Amino acid sequence: DAGVIQSPRHEVTEMGQEVTLRCKPISGHDYLFWYRQTMMRGLELLIYFNNNVPIDDSGMPEDRFSAKMPNASFSTLKIQPSEPRDSAVYFCASSFRHSSSGNTIYFGEGSWLTVV
Amino acid sequence: AQTVTQSQPEMSVQEAETVTLSCTYDTSESDYYLFWYKQPPSRQMILVIRQEAYKQQNATENRFSVNFQKAAKSFSLKISDSQLGDAAMYFCAYRSDMDSNYQLIWGAGTKLIIKP
Repeated sequence: DAGVIQSPRHEVTEMGQEVTLRCKPISGHDYLFWYRQTMMRGLELLIYFNNNVPIDDSGMPEDRFSAKMPNASFSTLKIQPSEPRDSAVYFCASSFRHSSSGNTIYFGEGSWLTVV
Repeated sequence: AQTVTQSQPEMSVQEAETVTLSCTYDTSESDYYLFWYKQPPSRQMILVIRQEAYKQQNATENRFSVNFQKAAKSFSLKISDSQLGDAAMYFCAYRSDMDSNYQLIWGAGTKLIIKP
C-alpha cells in the first residue's frame, strides 16, 4: 500500500514568494496532520483535520500560513509570503481513528523548504 | 495537559550490544497510546513500536521491545543487538484516545550513536 505522499520533496525559494506543499494521505485515513520540524523548535503540530474539517489550527504560526483539505485524498499547506525563518522540514501525516493499527500516525517523507 | 520527557539527549552503544532509551510521561487519562518513532539522517519519521495502554503485555518488534510501566508512567525502548542502521534520533510520543485531543505529544528526542 502507498504511504503518505508529499510533494515537493525539496524546494528552494526566494523570500516573498508563495510556497505550496502538497499531501496525499493514506487511503481510508480520516485524520491528516501537518507538522514542521526545525533544529530550534523541534517538531511542531501546525494543524490537523478530521474528515476534511480543520480541528485544531492553533499551531499555525501566523496569517501567512494556510491549510486546506478539499477532499479526503488531498491537502495543501500554503505559505504566502515566505520568509527565511520558514525554512524547515514540513511533514504531512495521516491516521485512521478506529483500526487495528493502534491509531498510529504515519508520516510522509517530508518536504524540505529553504527560503533564501 | 499531557507531557512526554526524554531525559537522555544522547546515548551511544557498541555495535551488537543492547541499549535502553528512557521515556516518561504525565497524563490523567486511562486510555492512550504510546509510540517510539525513529528519525534517521534522511529525516523520515519511521514508526518503531507502539503500545496500547490497556494492554499489560509489553510490545515487541524483532530487536525492539518496550518496558511499559503504567503506574510509573514509564515507557522505555530496548534495542538488542544494535546495528549501524539503528543510528538515529528516537522520539517517544503519547496519543490520547479522546477525539478532542487526537494528536501526538512528543518528547524532545534521544540521539542514538552506534559505535562500530
